[in-house]
Amino acid sequence: SFDLTQPPSVSVSPGQTAMITCSGDALPMQFSYWYQQKPGQAPLLVIYKDHERPSGIPERFSGSSSGTTVTLTISGVQAEDEADYYCLSTDSAGTSVFGGGTKLTVL
Amino acid sequence: EVQLVQSGAEVRKPGESLRISCEASGYNFSNYWIGWVRQMPGKGLEWMGIVYPGDSETRYSPSFEGQVIISADKSITTAYLQWNSLKASDTAMYFCARYGYTYAYAYWGQGTLVTVSS
Repeated sequence: SFDLTQPPSVSVSPGQTAMITCSGDALPMQFSYWYQQKPGQAPLLVIYKDHERPSGIPERFSGSSSGTTVTLTISGVQAEDEADYYCLSTDSAGTSVFGGGTKLTVL
Repeated sequence: EVQLVQSGAEVRKPGESLRISCEASGYNFSNYWIGWVRQMPGKGLEWMGIVYPGDSETRYSPSFEGQVIISADKSITTAYLQWNSLKASDTAMYFCARYGYTYAYAYWGQGTLVTVSS
């Protein structure tokens, strides 16, 4: 098993850039995925394979990877982006782990 | 269109058994893993385990191994999460999700709320 660490909270003003990190020793060897979850809803995939964006996800969402840290960047944050964000990674045995989640507050 | 429809909310007493379901449609059920995710009240997402309906192979998180049973019936395109003896600490929302090698968990069920209380 492995662990993924996220900051509990990030706060930004509308129009600014939010960066949410996810750290783990396994990340250089495994892809990361990012999910957005709003209250009462199922998670929504916003980034896959470190930096790819699914169709329908706004361009302001992007992902990057450097060593043991992956980062979700939301450029030009909007009020509707306020949500919990989770990173996920899966090892070669098919076991997955979520990060602890980051609450994004839009001030 | 890929759809995962979960069974409805459940209320049980400690020590009781329970099985919740996740019915899939819109794709070849046998060819994709189905995972289960727990979310305790006010807490984060926890990956529990996964089943491959084609041959019923399963993988579990160490945290949930021996605590739950994950299974699937490909004849009715349905995956299951089962407890033999519930605890109050099993109170949570449970999500099923389809796993793909490109998008990981791109498709999710709506969630099933399980409440365990005496």
